Amino acid sequence: NAGVTQTPKFQVLKTGQSMTLQCAQDMNHEYMSWYRQDPGMGLRLIHYSVGAGITDQGEVPNGYNVSRSTTEDFPLRLLSAAPSQTSVYFCASSRGPGYGYTFGSGTRLTVV
Amino acid sequence: EDQVTQSPEALRLQEGESSSLNCSYTVSGLRGLFWYRQDPGKGPEFLFTLYSAGEEKEKERLKATLTKKESFLHITAPKPEDSATYLCAVQATSNDYKLSFGAGTTVTVRA
Repeated sequence: NAGVTQTPKFQVLKTGQSMTLQCAQDMNHEYMSWYRQDPGMGLRLIHYSVGAGITDQGEVPNGYNVSRSTTEDFPLRLLSAAPSQTSVYFCASSRGPGYGYTFGSGTRLTVV
Repeated sequence: EDQVTQSPEALRLQEGESSSLNCSYTVSGLRGLFWYRQDPGKGPEFLFTLYSAGEEKEKERLKATLTKKESFLHITAPKPEDSATYLCAVQATSNDYKLSFGAGTTVTVRA
């Protein structure tokens, strides 16, 4: 089992550019989430999904879009990159409430 | 709003020197409290879930305990390979789609 797969691992963007961070899981998990991790701030929820076709905003959604057309995939789109979006992004999936989330290995994004 | 505070921020231990990490939390109703381990450049790795006060879970040299206000992660006779950042997170019954994380405790174990 691959678990949660994120691509790319590293990315450098110029301010104003757009891109999509890919996330795929092979565990048939209904719940999927995107978090960003910044030094000293812990992991913060960007967007989440409780099933295919169902998405909603987390704590820090501005500047990001998501969609969930299949159970397996949950891409995160940066609409117009800003230096404040420089961070490490983690995708995670879970069977549901009360179960631990499985995290991907992360995407380190730098916006210059 | 759910809040999680971890202490200390950093902990330096000698190999074999046991210690404890603290996770204090405020949540309207607790669905579960989660402990994760994170190595540099990697994603968090799930360790334990605790659901109710008084519950304990063990895995190798790690033991997690839970009260109504805090959780402890005890590291017994640590080895250098236990060096990592340990993250605590809570899941509320009212927001059971999300985890609220603390900032973590970075543990360094010297041989």
